[in-house]
Amino acid sequence: AQSVSQHNHHVILSEAASLELGCNYSYGGTVNLFWYVQYPGQHLQLLLKYFSGDPLVKGIKGFEAEFIKSKFSFNLRKPSVQWSDTAEYFCAVSIYNQGGKLIFGQGTELSVKP
Amino acid sequence: DAGVIQSPRHEVTEMGQEVTLRCKPISGHNSLFWYRQTMMRGLELLIYFNNNVPIDDSGMPEDRFSAKMPNASFSTLKIQPSEPRDSAVYFCASSSPGGRETQYFGPGTRLTVL
Repeated sequence: AQSVSQHNHHVILSEAASLELGCNYSYGGTVNLFWYVQYPGQHLQLLLKYFSGDPLVKGIKGFEAEFIKSKFSFNLRKPSVQWSDTAEYFCAVSIYNQGGKLIFGQGTELSVKP
Repeated sequence: DAGVIQSPRHEVTEMGQEVTLRCKPISGHNSLFWYRQTMMRGLELLIYFNNNVPIDDSGMPEDRFSAKMPNASFSTLKIQPSEPRDSAVYFCASSSPGGRETQYFGPGTRLTVL
């Protein structure tokens, strides 16, 4: 069965530090890749997505992610985090053209200290 | 354009009562997904519909849970009878057709069963 693994359960950073959150998936075919963010008490919002083309995708709020097919990875990055980035981040995968069912990772909680 | 609409936003009920959660997808979207989020289990897909037809209900916990989508603009998730372990945030999401689906989430219903 397909699965998504996020390496870190809880990450604590100081403002201006760089961020990288790991995500790996298990499926050998064509996938769509997503990062969602959930701010405290709110719903999931799409941060960025990758379907095809340039493996480096840019999203909202200065986030970017790189798809490395050979490593089945889709890591999320931000050069300089802000206190307002405190949230939970979810990596998700869907199998191309199979109805859009998302498989989520377990989430990474990011705490940014001011 | 309105996003996914869910109601109620909060529901507190007593064990044994029937609970009905409602969702209105984004207009033009033909897939609808119900998720449950808890601290212990993270985000779980309960069921999803494509063109109002249930496609995969393997995530529905047990017979106490049922979901319907009578038309393209409305879906319900019903729990009868409710139990304290059903306490969670229930999210609805929708996506548009075409191979590269992106799900957009509603604000969620926070359910507390006493």
